[in-house]
Amino acid sequence: EADIYQTPRYLVIGTGKKITLECSQTMGHDKMYWYQQDPGMELHLIHYSYGVNSTEKGDLSSESTVSRIRTEHFPLTLESARPSHTSQYLCASSAGTGFVQYFGPGTRLTVT
Amino acid sequence: GQQLNQSPQSMFIQEGEDVSMNCTSSSIFNTWLWYKQDPGEGPVLLIALYKAGELTSNGRLTAQFGITRKDSFLNISASIPSDVGIYFCAGLLLSGGGADGLTFGKGTHLIIQP
Repeated sequence: EADIYQTPRYLVIGTGKKITLECSQTMGHDKMYWYQQDPGMELHLIHYSYGVNSTEKGDLSSESTVSRIRTEHFPLTLESARPSHTSQYLCASSAGTGFVQYFGPGTRLTVT
Repeated sequence: GQQLNQSPQSMFIQEGEDVSMNCTSSSIFNTWLWYKQDPGEGPVLLIALYKAGELTSNGRLTAQFGITRKDSFLNISASIPSDVGIYFCAGLLLSGGGADGLTFGKGTHLIIQP
């Protein structure tokens, strides 16, 4: 069973606020990912990291930014939230030599 | 990115029925993964397939890696209410690519009618 955690699970926030979504994993995985998913829809990769100090943009353009200062931690930040950012954000990780991605429970973000 | 065609998009079945869904692509994959996502949760890995022709079971679930490497299917036997959710296939391209080249299908919504 994967040990990957996301906080908060639910967030309702007003337009223009800065937010940080937290993601942590205790498996020592090198690779971490952020996906955006509208309810019941497909997953879109927005950011990924191959290790500390490595960050790359994914297939879907996003106004969010990420950082990877520690192996276990991969936070996602929105400097100024807008209603169009309302979505579910999923964090995942995988081992350096493997391809299976393990997902966290997600953060459901609503921007009013 | 590469396209994975997952079908059906949704299924309405009676409890106890068998379920079959599949993913196809015009590209060759060297790994296939099947995930299930419950409402409000993250996807959970069900089965991983690594060799063409491989047939793997996990309880009532059976998945196969197609011989052509371009497709995979997932079967669920004797469905029960907790099988409700969205099932995603994911494939790793033989040619690789960014973020490990893992491509996700659009999901199959499984709904069990009382």
